[in-house]
Amino acid sequence: QKEVEQNSGPLSVPEGAIASLNCTYSDRGSQSFFWYRQYSGKSPELIMFIYSNGDKEDGRFTAQLNKASQYVSLLIRDSQPSDSATYLCALSYGGATNKLIFGTGTLLAVQP
Amino acid sequence: DTGVSQDPRHKITKRGQNVTFRCDPISEHNRLYWYRQTLGQGPEFLTYFQNEAQLEKSRLLSDRFSAERPKGSFSTLEIQRTEQGDSAMYLCASSSRLPGQSINEKLFFGSGTQLSVL
Repeated sequence: QKEVEQNSGPLSVPEGAIASLNCTYSDRGSQSFFWYRQYSGKSPELIMFIYSNGDKEDGRFTAQLNKASQYVSLLIRDSQPSDSATYLCALSYGGATNKLIFGTGTLLAVQP
Repeated sequence: DTGVSQDPRHKITKRGQNVTFRCDPISEHNRLYWYRQTLGQGPEFLTYFQNEAQLEKSRLLSDRFSAERPKGSFSTLEIQRTEQGDSAMYLCASSSRLPGQSINEKLFFGSGTQLSVL
């Protein structure tokens, strides 16, 4: 079982709708969770991070974490065509290195 | 712009040749990471430096790969005797953790070096 699992998509939503991206993880020792956005041919860019159960909101983005069920999600409200990208879920175990373990990413396509 | 800089952006080489990539992190960042990303996959951790010390290496980093960070500033990643399976985007990222900060830290990624081994 992979440490971080994501549906590769594509997830297609109409402009203005809510896009819901999901991620599950296998190791309960995971401490922090991150969502990165990656446009085609570009490097990943951090959108949100969360480490406590519940919701965390930042503008049009809401990250949700449920450690008991081992899933983390990202909601994008009022989706725009410019949100079309691959969204990477990542986790960290903390510690000295604090390296990130990434999922394969979900391709989001927002239709105008 | 003082972002993470990687050079070259693209590298095409023949199988068996050696290649070297360079990463210049954000100047005040003491932590530097190398990742590798293939098409349709997320970035995979390769190695990590804190200042000049290489503190962790992934099992993905075979003996043909070597990374250095002299003086804790820029870093180089060398691949010897390249193989077609080495074709990927090699991403460098840097971050800093301030005293008393939480476990979270923001990684700033460079634009990457796209390696194609023919």
